Amino acid sequence: TQLLEQSPQFLSIQEGENLTVYCNSSSVFSSLQWYRQEPGEGPVLLVTVVTGGEVKKLKRLTFQFGDARKDSSLHITAAQPGDTGLYLCAGALVENRDDKIIFGKGTRLHILP
Amino acid sequence: DSGVTQTPKHLITATGQRVTLRCSPRSGDLSVYWYQQSLDQGLQFLIQYYNGEERAKGNILERFSAQQFPDLHSELNLSSLELGDSALYFCASSVYSGPRVEQFFGPGTRLTVL
Repeated sequence: TQLLEQSPQFLSIQEGENLTVYCNSSSVFSSLQWYRQEPGEGPVLLVTVVTGGEVKKLKRLTFQFGDARKDSSLHITAAQPGDTGLYLCAGALVENRDDKIIFGKGTRLHILP
Repeated sequence: DSGVTQTPKHLITATGQRVTLRCSPRSGDLSVYWYQQSLDQGLQFLIQYYNGEERAKGNILERFSAQQFPDLHSELNLSSLELGDSALYFCASSVYSGPRVEQFFGPGTRLTVL
């Protein structure tokens, strides 16, 4: 069974602090996506990482794909209340145009003003 | 706006009833996925269609079924509804680019079973 474990499950921090959330698996992924979901809405794609060791930045968010393509991290610098939400990572296993997407259970982030 | 549409936005029904949820994927996307999300839970994968054919099945109950039509829209049918079926139901469509599979989610249908 392929699993994607996210940690921490919950995180509540003060505005201005930095944080890192993790996404780990024993599976090697073709690519990995990070999504953010707000209550009652659909997840929104933030970034896709493909190459082992790849780092992508989206304003104050930094995403890294592990060298072995089994894990990823999301680092937020100077968190803002607007960063509050559920962060989901999803690993994609692609072979001959057959794909399997595995979602983590998510990290619920709450930024206190 | 992801380009994926879902109807209805809200659905309230009674136990034992049957409902149909509808999804239209982004223009050009051939894959449609259905997910269930219960309160404060992660996304549970139900089923995937690709160009009209079932591609993968997840934790989909026998009371649930889905199909994808020639125009690529998809419907999820939920029957003999139980209280525990109350949840948000999302569909997503995806685009392939080599190893990248990026999913774009609709706004969801909130199903309440009373």
